[in-house]
Amino acid sequence: SAVISQKPSRDICQRGTSLTIQCQVDSQVTMMFWYRQQPGQSLTLIATANQGSEATYESGFVIDKFPISRPNLTFSTLTVSNMSPEDSSIYLCSVRTGHEQYFGPGTRLTVT
Amino acid sequence: GEDVEQSLFLSVREGDSSVINCTYTDSSSTYLYWYKQEPGAGLQLLTYIFSNMDMKQDQRLTVLLNKKDKHLSLRIADTQTGDSAIYFCAESSPSGGSYIPTFGRGTSLIVHP
Repeated sequence: SAVISQKPSRDICQRGTSLTIQCQVDSQVTMMFWYRQQPGQSLTLIATANQGSEATYESGFVIDKFPISRPNLTFSTLTVSNMSPEDSSIYLCSVRTGHEQYFGPGTRLTVT
Repeated sequence: GEDVEQSLFLSVREGDSSVINCTYTDSSSTYLYWYKQEPGAGLQLLTYIFSNMDMKQDQRLTVLLNKKDKHLSLRIADTQTGDSAIYFCAESSPSGGSYIPTFGRGTSLIVHP
């Protein structure tokens, strides 16, 4: 298994600003993912972040809006840039070990 | 894209069994998962089943897979108030070699005394 922590756990931000979310894992993992969960909705994959390579973004998500860093095998950041109220959501970090996928506690973001 | 469907709500009485159902469309699904999300928390992996299995039991949890009908269920025996949460079904397939799961919208389980 993997234990994942995220910072911050929640934040309220003004539109036009940016927020960087940190994800820390207690073991080295190759595959790390960032998801968004909007109220009453399923999880939507934003991007896959593998160490040593550029993040791979899903359709509808772009690097300029959601830049990702993956400096090592235990850490990643996701930045939500130039925020608007539509970015209000829960952002979840996730890792895969074998065929098991684990999630962090999430960052609840509200944009006013 | 591929779809995973779940009913949105289930209400049961404490002590009864709960059965949460899920259907999926990807015939190449290899792993099927059940996650639990309590209020304000992330997703907790409850259990998963490989597609060549039709049943998996783990304490109070029983997973049944009907691969022909692409139907997955999670049975919780002796449901407790602490089981109240949103339960997500997910499937992954070797598409593109990535096995990235596709999630359903979640079933909100309400357990009342």
